[in-house]
Amino acid sequence: DTGVSQDPRHKITKRGQNVTFRCDPISEHNRLYWYRQTLGQGPEFLTYFQNEAQLEKSRLLSDRFSAERPKGSFSTLEIQRTEQGDSAMYLCASSLRDRARFGPGTRLTVL
Amino acid sequence: AQTVTQSQPEMSVQEAETVTLSCTYDTSESDYYLFWYKQPPSRQMILVIRQEAYKQQNATENRFSVNFQKAAKSFSLKISDSQLGDAAMYFCAYRVIIQGAQKLVFGQGTRLTINP
Repeated sequence: DTGVSQDPRHKITKRGQNVTFRCDPISEHNRLYWYRQTLGQGPEFLTYFQNEAQLEKSRLLSDRFSAERPKGSFSTLEIQRTEQGDSAMYLCASSLRDRARFGPGTRLTVL
Repeated sequence: AQTVTQSQPEMSVQEAETVTLSCTYDTSESDYYLFWYKQPPSRQMILVIRQEAYKQQNATENRFSVNFQKAAKSFSLKISDSQLGDAAMYFCAYRVIIQGAQKLVFGQGTRLTINP
């Protein structure tokens, strides 16, 4: 397999702008996860999809955050009106059962 | 609430020696999965080893093995014959299932340095 891919790998934006990240999971994986990782910390769960259904959202996912997975394939994570506190690495992972495989992440810097 | 604690922010070991990374977790579940992930500098998270709680036998993957103590809720990772390429952040994680939704709860990580 080609692994989990994420685009872009880096994003620099100004406070108040909207950003969108894309995740392409391993093709046969029906489960997809988004995590956020700040420097020196472990990843924190944001949201989970099983096929196209979003089954769980963390309270970390404020109203400014929205995630979709149309047709159960790729997923997008959008952050509206970015704040400096949103600066982090955004990780996507996918799995068929319990062995989640992670993508390289998108590093977001909000100026 | 499920929590994962890694009490060693940093560890170092001489190349070719053995090192053990500690992890404890809190859960009321009886069946669950535990994982160790490795995150090299500026590189993506890689699954190192996985343990199913209902299995008493400790998981082993080549030079990596775990000491799973279910009653003590302890899940340590042993790396034998340490290599320079083992240098990374290591994260212990616990899989939670809530109403059909899965997520991993991670510890704070242990930075492992390998001294040549």
